[in-house]
Amino acid sequence: EDKVVQSPLSLVVHEGDTVTLNCSYEVTNFRSLLWYKQEKKAPTFLFMLTSSGIEKKSGRLSSILDKKELFSILNITATQTGDSAVYLCAVVGTDFNKFYFGSGTKLNVKP
Amino acid sequence: KAGVTQTPRYLIKTRGQQVTLSCSPISGHRSVSWYQQTPGQGLQFLFEYFSETQRNKGNFPGRFSGRQFSNSRSEMNVSTLELGDSALYLCASSLAGSSNEKLFFGSGTQLSVL
Repeated sequence: EDKVVQSPLSLVVHEGDTVTLNCSYEVTNFRSLLWYKQEKKAPTFLFMLTSSGIEKKSGRLSSILDKKELFSILNITATQTGDSAVYLCAVVGTDFNKFYFGSGTKLNVKP
Repeated sequence: KAGVTQTPRYLIKTRGQQVTLSCSPISGHRSVSWYQQTPGQGLQFLFEYFSETQRNKGNFPGRFSGRQFSNSRSEMNVSTLELGDSALYLCASSLAGSSNEKLFFGSGTQLSVL
């Protein structure tokens, strides 16, 4: 059965800390992995990864995919209180229009 | 460009009732997907529509159904509501629903079943 597992489930850090969020997956015929940030209701897109070893960056956020070990990490450096959110990992496999989501990592950044 | 719009934002129903949720995708997007989000389960795929056709369905009972109209707007219906149906229902759209496209989400409909 296809599945996506995120860890840790929750994390509390202080502003300025660096965090690493993990996403492992077992999905048939992997096509892409996506990261989303959910602050209130609507998840907003962060990254899409399709190739191993190529880091995607956007400001203080970066992500990389390892298709051999079947995982991805999302790094956030110099965290700010505005980074507090649930971070979701989603994977697309054989069913190209069906995203498998992990349970998310709830990040709380304290001042 | 307007984002994905879901209505209503909040709903309170009692067990046994039925409910219809609405989703208007981003203009030009023809693929609409529905997800159920609960605290313990994360986002669970319900179904995906493209050009008025359901192309894929998740592991939900037949009480959950949907449809898509010619203007790509979609509705989701849940009949004979159960307490466990209480959740945030998220709609997402994309141009064609292919694997190299990201999903754009609406703000969801928070359904509470009493």
